[in-house]
Amino acid sequence: DAGVTQSPTHLIKTRGQQVTLRCSPKSGHDTVSWYQQALGQGPQFIFQYYEEEERQRGNFPDRFSGHQFPNYSSELNVNALLLGDSALYLCASSTLTGTGGRETQYFGPGTRLLVL
Amino acid sequence: AQSVTQLGSQVSVSEGALVLLRCNYSSSVPPYLFWYVQYPNQGLQLLLKYTSAATLVKGINGFEAEFKKSETSFHLTKPSAHMSDAAEYFCAVSEVGAQKLVFGQGTRLTINP
Repeated sequence: DAGVTQSPTHLIKTRGQQVTLRCSPKSGHDTVSWYQQALGQGPQFIFQYYEEEERQRGNFPDRFSGHQFPNYSSELNVNALLLGDSALYLCASSTLTGTGGRETQYFGPGTRLLVL
Repeated sequence: AQSVTQLGSQVSVSEGALVLLRCNYSSSVPPYLFWYVQYPNQGLQLLLKYTSAATLVKGINGFEAEFKKSETSFHLTKPSAHMSDAAEYFCAVSEVGAQKLVFGQGTRLTINP
C-alpha cells in the first residue's frame, strides 16, 4: 500500500521564479492538504483540496495556489518566489471516512525548496 | 482560535529512562489531538491520535498519551527510551470539522547512551 508521495525531493530556485510541487495521496484517500515547514518550526497549513476544489486556506498570500486532479493528486504552485519561501513543503492526505475523518492526516516525505 | 504549546524545545533523557514530552492546547470546542514524529530529513509520521474515544491513547513504538480536558493537556510518554527515539516530536490540534491541523513548535528529543 503506497503512502503519500511527493516530487521532487529537492529544488533550488531564484527569487522571482515560479515553482510547482506535486503530491499523490495515500491509496483510498481523496483529500490533500499542504503545509509549509520553515527551519526549526512546526508545519503551517497552506490549504486543503477535495472534490477538486480548495476547501480551506491558511494565512498565505495569493502567490500560493493549488490544484487537485480527478485522480486526487495535487499540485502546489508558488509564484514570484521570495527568500522567505525557502522551507520544507509537506503534503498530507486524508479521507472523510474512518475515525478522525479528514483531520487524521498522513504526511509525505516533503519537498525541500531553497530560494536563492 | 486553536493553538498548541509544547513545553521545552529540547528534551534530553538517558537510554532506558522515562520519556515525557508536554503539550497543552487551546480549543473552543472538543478537539482532536495528534502526536507526530519527524526524523531528520523526513516527513511526519503519525504516532497516535485522540478522537474523543478513550482518553488514554496508545500509539506506535511504545508511546502513549493521555487526554486531560481539565488541564487542556495531551502529554506524550514512553516508559523506556531507546536510541532510535531521537527525533523531533510535534503535537497538533484540530477542532472537529475544521480538518486542518495546528502544530506546536516541536520538541527535539535527544537520547544519551
